[in-house]
Amino acid sequence: QSVLTQPPSASGTPGQRVTISCSGVISNIGSNSVNWYQQLPGTAPKLLIYSSSQRPSGVPDRFSGSKSGASASLAISGLQSEDEADYYCAAWDDSLNGFVFGTGTEVTVL
Amino acid sequence: QVQLQESGPGLVTPSETLSLTCNVSGASITTYYWSWIRQSPGKGLEWIANIYHGGNTNYNPSLKSRVSMSIDTSKNQFSLNLTSVTAADTAVYYCARDSSGSYYLGDFDIWGQGTMVTVSS
Repeated sequence: QSVLTQPPSASGTPGQRVTISCSGVISNIGSNSVNWYQQLPGTAPKLLIYSSSQRPSGVPDRFSGSKSGASASLAISGLQSEDEADYYCAAWDDSLNGFVFGTGTEVTVL
Repeated sequence: QVQLQESGPGLVTPSETLSLTCNVSGASITTYYWSWIRQSPGKGLEWIANIYHGGNTNYNPSLKSRVSMSIDTSKNQFSLNLTSVTAADTAVYYCARDSSGSYYLGDFDIWGQGTMVTVSS
């Protein structure tokens, strides 16, 4: 029951910049901050961006987040092979009174 | 070092109750919000519920009629009960810590390794 829409896939060559979009509505992204998670195959998700644009300690500055209106985006600059993973956005939804996740985007490094 | 560890049966019979526990080590369970999140095979993430030690809980409205969470401060652990399960509840279940201190920011910074639960007769 994903309420936030992401492209199913994105790709780039090493060193390129890749951007992933996350589209919501006023009751979720439009009213609350967005978090981004990276999930490597077979592992638990990892917090990548919080409060729409903040990086936790240890997350490389190649990862950046932004939000405008009811949409958010994650950018990966200087793409590396270890960035191959699934990426999910998430936000609180005031109408549902719960968290909603994005549909997920699989990033491939060509 | 904060660690979370899920435990519970890997196989549940349809119509029965799924019960999982998350043991927290390295942090006090009274300080944060704690969540359960699941992922069906090959699918995306779905938030189930969260709880604070004062008993404040929030549930996914699509599961609310079947879900309950509880917290045991003496054991530093929290639990999930999901009743009347069907095959659609087959998933990897993760417990996670929300480091934000609020119920609506969702800074899930620490996750358990996840436990696979299959609903089948």
